[in-house]
This record gives sequence, C-alpha cells and structure tokens, in this order.
Amino acid sequence: AQSVAQPEDQVNVAEGNPLTVKCTYSVSGNPYLFWYVQYPNRGLQFLLKYITGDNLVKGSYGFEAEFNKSQTSFHLKKPSALVSDSALYFCAVRDVRYNFNKFYFGSGTKLNVKP
Amino acid sequence: SAVISQKPSRDICQRGTSLTIQCQVDSQVTMMFWYRQQPGQSLTLIATANQGSEATYESGFVIDKFPISRPNLTFSTLTVSNMSPEDSSIYLCSVDPSATGELFFGEGSRLTVL
Repeated sequence: AQSVAQPEDQVNVAEGNPLTVKCTYSVSGNPYLFWYVQYPNRGLQFLLKYITGDNLVKGSYGFEAEFNKSQTSFHLKKPSALVSDSALYFCAVRDVRYNFNKFYFGSGTKLNVKP
Repeated sequence: SAVISQKPSRDICQRGTSLTIQCQVDSQVTMMFWYRQQPGQSLTLIATANQGSEATYESGFVIDKFPISRPNLTFSTLTVSNMSPEDSSIYLCSVDPSATGELFFGEGSRLTVL
C-alpha cells in the first residue's frame, strides 16, 4: 500500500531562518511524490513534485524538496522563511501501481513563521 | 492550469438532510476528483467522476451516500445524503488537467452538520 507520513503536526520557525517540513513515504514501485500548500480558507496549491531525475527538486515560492531513497524521505525545505509561508503543508504520493488517479496525502504540517 | 469554483463555500445543515455541492472548471477535463478533508485530518479521495459514465468510488464511500453527477466536461456535483454530524468536513473538488499529477483544487465547501 502507498502512504506518506508527516511526523510533525506543527513546525515553528523565525522569519529569515531555514525551514524543513518532514515527509517519509512507503510505496510499491517508484515513488511519485508531491508537496501541496493550503493557505487559510483556500484550496490546496501544488508546490513541487518528484518523478525521476535530480534528487533536489525546486518548486514554487522558493521551496525545494530533497528526495532520499535510502531514507524514504521527501522533506520540504526553504533557505529563508517568510511570514507569508505560514500555512498547512501536505505531502502526497501517487498510486502508480494500482490507481494512477489516486493520491495519498499525509496528515499535514502546520508551518508557523514568526516575525 | 485550471480555475475551479465550488458552491457553496460553507453551509450549516440539519441532520438527515442532503446537500449538493457544485464544482465548475474553467476548462474541459476528463476526470474530476472529489476529496473529503475532515477536521484536523488529511484529504481522502471519495470518488473519481468521468463524463458519460458512473463515478468510481473509493473504499468506504458508496453511491447512495455520495451520489455524483458529471453532465459535461466542465461541471460536476457531489451530494452528501442523509447527513449526520460525522459528515462535517471540507469537501474539495480537484482536477489534473495535464495528467501530470499537478492537481488543482477548488477552495472547498465547508459543511457543518448539526
């Protein structure tokens, strides 16, 4: 079965500091991994994805994520956090084995960036 | 890209009633997806709606409880039937217009069932 885990319910960082939001995955087959962000009272927005290729993936709003096969992780990172980055972040994996249209989302991590 | 409009954005409903959520996309898409986001929890796929055929439901979701219509390539509805407080959730419509996994979501419909 496919699944992702986000071990932290909440991450607090100061503006200007680097941030990391953690995600680990469990998949059958090659992992198709995604990060989405949900701002208050808004739908989810795509940030970035890893399908194949370079382990460091760059996405929207200065975010990047590092795919680590040995650790089965896909952590989201940003070198310098902004207050406007405060939102709910979801890691997701695509079910490439049984149902290509199905995504499994993590439980979400609330990022709080303090000025 | 795709712009998705959902209605209603929120509603408060009485137990035992039904509510229909509408999802309008600004472009034609083959599949539309309905997700549920329960309070403090993750997103769960309810069903995939294809134009011209019956929706495909995920385990734990049935057509009698969540009937879906897909009359054309830009519109879909999800009905939450015979609601109970456990149905209080945010319901999200989503599309993947380029089939790349880059999902676009509506802003969601927040249902509270009393």
